[in-house]
Amino acid sequence: QSALTQPPSVSGAPGQRVTVSCTGSSSNIGAGFAVHWYQRLPGKAPKLLIFGNNNRPSGVPDRFSGSKSGSSASLAITGLRAEDETEYFCQSYDSSLSGWVFGTGTTVTVL
Amino acid sequence: EVQLVQSGAEVKKPGESLKISCQGYGYTFANSWIAWLRQMPGKGLEWMGMIYPGDSDVRYSPSFEGQVTISADKSINTAYLQWSSLTASDTAIYYCVRPVSPSSAYDAYFDPWGQGTVVTVSS
Repeated sequence: QSALTQPPSVSGAPGQRVTVSCTGSSSNIGAGFAVHWYQRLPGKAPKLLIFGNNNRPSGVPDRFSGSKSGSSASLAITGLRAEDETEYFCQSYDSSLSGWVFGTGTTVTVL
Repeated sequence: EVQLVQSGAEVKKPGESLKISCQGYGYTFANSWIAWLRQMPGKGLEWMGMIYPGDSDVRYSPSFEGQVTISADKSINTAYLQWSSLTASDTAIYYCVRPVSPSSAYDAYFDPWGQGTVVTVSS
């Protein structure tokens, strides 16, 4: 059972903005631990998309952004493109589980 | 380019042993932790444990302590995950990752990821 909950799927038309939520608790996101986001393309290793709540590694388009509030975090994708259609998941640390935890994963569909 | 390359898919029978590997390239392997993650079919990712190849310091998730063994050989830039007696519930994809901690160790993120090793345990 994942400690971080994400919606199974979100969708949007090309050019639109979509958000993916990541809901945690007082022992992980709510405790102040950083949230990171990954993108997993089919058949590929997951790739770091956002680190430290809202920082993009070099090479990640500024269409991707992250935010955090309370016990939840969000990934926003603006100007949605066909190549954004894939799975996204979040990650943080959980003090009660004494380890890093991951979200359940969200599939973004471009309509 | 920093990358982690994992060993290939494995098909095993219950009770058999297994050791999978993860080789690092493009950075000083001994000076960075390597962690192992599990993803069971249809489930989310789980952190299993990690090793510091420089001195073989190992930390296990409480959920995996005693279930697997993590080791490393820094002379060949390779980390390992092994089982002494597999069960069907070990069927999963296993990823090796490098934790990166810009500030607090708790706030580490994982970059890069290995390509994953599929382990299937079936009689």
